[in-house]
Amino acid sequence: AQKITQTQPGMFVQEKEAVTLDCTYDTSDPSYGLFWYKQPSSGEMIFLIYQGSYDQQNATEGRYSLNFQKARKSANLVISASQLGDSAMYFCAMREALSGGYQKVTFGTGTKLQVIP
Amino acid sequence: DSGVTQTPKHLITATGQRVTLRCSPRSGDLSVYWYQQSLDQGLQFLIQYYNGEERAKGNILERFSAQQFPDLHSELNLSSLELGDSALYFCASSVQGTTEAFFGQGTRLTVV
Repeated sequence: AQKITQTQPGMFVQEKEAVTLDCTYDTSDPSYGLFWYKQPSSGEMIFLIYQGSYDQQNATEGRYSLNFQKARKSANLVISASQLGDSAMYFCAMREALSGGYQKVTFGTGTKLQVIP
Repeated sequence: DSGVTQTPKHLITATGQRVTLRCSPRSGDLSVYWYQQSLDQGLQFLIQYYNGEERAKGNILERFSAQQFPDLHSELNLSSLELGDSALYFCASSVQGTTEAFFGQGTRLTVV
């Protein structure tokens, strides 16, 4: 089974509208972290937002918020008031703790978001 | 600027050759991760080091090796290169026990 699933290969959103990018995950580790990264066409990976498995509140960072539904194992990214500069590839990722102090980070396949003027 | 520095930014080399990619983590970060991003495989975790010790190993080929030095910089060595090794190689760093990892700009490797 896929650890991280992003079912939307591509999405369009009108400028100034909100958009939700889906992410579901699979883990048996009670302590894990969920991340979203943005990769513009220039190639760099930009950290956007983090949610810990024990966090009670949904994480927010400016126009980004993470809709964390633990029972459904989903961690959707919501971008409010989309801007043209939001056009990029978006990756969901999960960090799990392994035995011996090891960690493992798994990335989804990404969603390409295009913001339309 | 994430504070993670990768060199070189671009590298073109021939099949069968060996290359070394270098990564300097953010100041204070003890953990370094290496990732490979290719069109057909997506973003693949290769290996993680923490304060000089290997902490996790992902889909890293035997032809590839890495190490983290006492000054915390890390190197990824790729040998007997094949055309399929052409990819964007990212280094990321984080403070162990905290949250996000910050990525460098990546090294684009082209094997011809």
